[in-house]
Amino acid sequence: QQPVQSPQAVILREGEDAVINCSSSKALYSVHWYRQKHGEAPVFLMILLKGGEQKGHDKISASFNEKKQQSSLYLTASQLSYSGTYFCGDFGNEKLTFGTGTRLTIIP
Amino acid sequence: DTGVSQDPRHKITKRGQNVTFRCDPISEHNRLYWYRQTLGQGPEFLTYFQNEAQLEKSRLLSDRFSAERPKGSFSTLEIQRTEQGDSAMYLCASSPRTPEETQYFGPGTRLLVL
Repeated sequence: QQPVQSPQAVILREGEDAVINCSSSKALYSVHWYRQKHGEAPVFLMILLKGGEQKGHDKISASFNEKKQQSSLYLTASQLSYSGTYFCGDFGNEKLTFGTGTRLTIIP
Repeated sequence: DTGVSQDPRHKITKRGQNVTFRCDPISEHNRLYWYRQTLGQGPEFLTYFQNEAQLEKSRLLSDRFSAERPKGSFSTLEIQRTEQGDSAMYLCASSPRTPEETQYFGPGTRLLVL
């Protein structure tokens, strides 16, 4: 069962903030966040394992709700390098099931 | 840390031909995964290995697809009698056997079947 992400796409000006949501109808085992630029491989951002967990580094952070059915990725003071497609992934049954993806475009 | 490498990076073939892709994982990682990604979609799981053992195959992996990981090091993915629907990016990822199971992806092999 594929996690659903929202929004599907968002356009921001440099310096603005963004929130990307990842939702599932069942509890996720763990949430992995990746960013993928066009024509490149997904790059690992962070992983959340426990309900209620929050994690962050630099200006990118994420949360995992208590029921483990929703995770959010927070991008603050966005930079041009943040552009790309963001995927959440559920590591259940020993493999990643990726979400529907969110395309983020940062304009100067 | 040299990262995950894949070869070739691009492959163009004619329908009906066989193709083989190679993946070299990060050296200390004992898990290796294959995914397929089509335009606008997220990667879809195909199969994975723990050391040399192939532990799971997706139903996406038809009989024309076969994967191996001899000696638990590099892996190959072969597609026989290619079809136009096989055109996609084939991604390899590796992970250590840790509780976090972070997967690190290679650059991918882009396949175009004419």
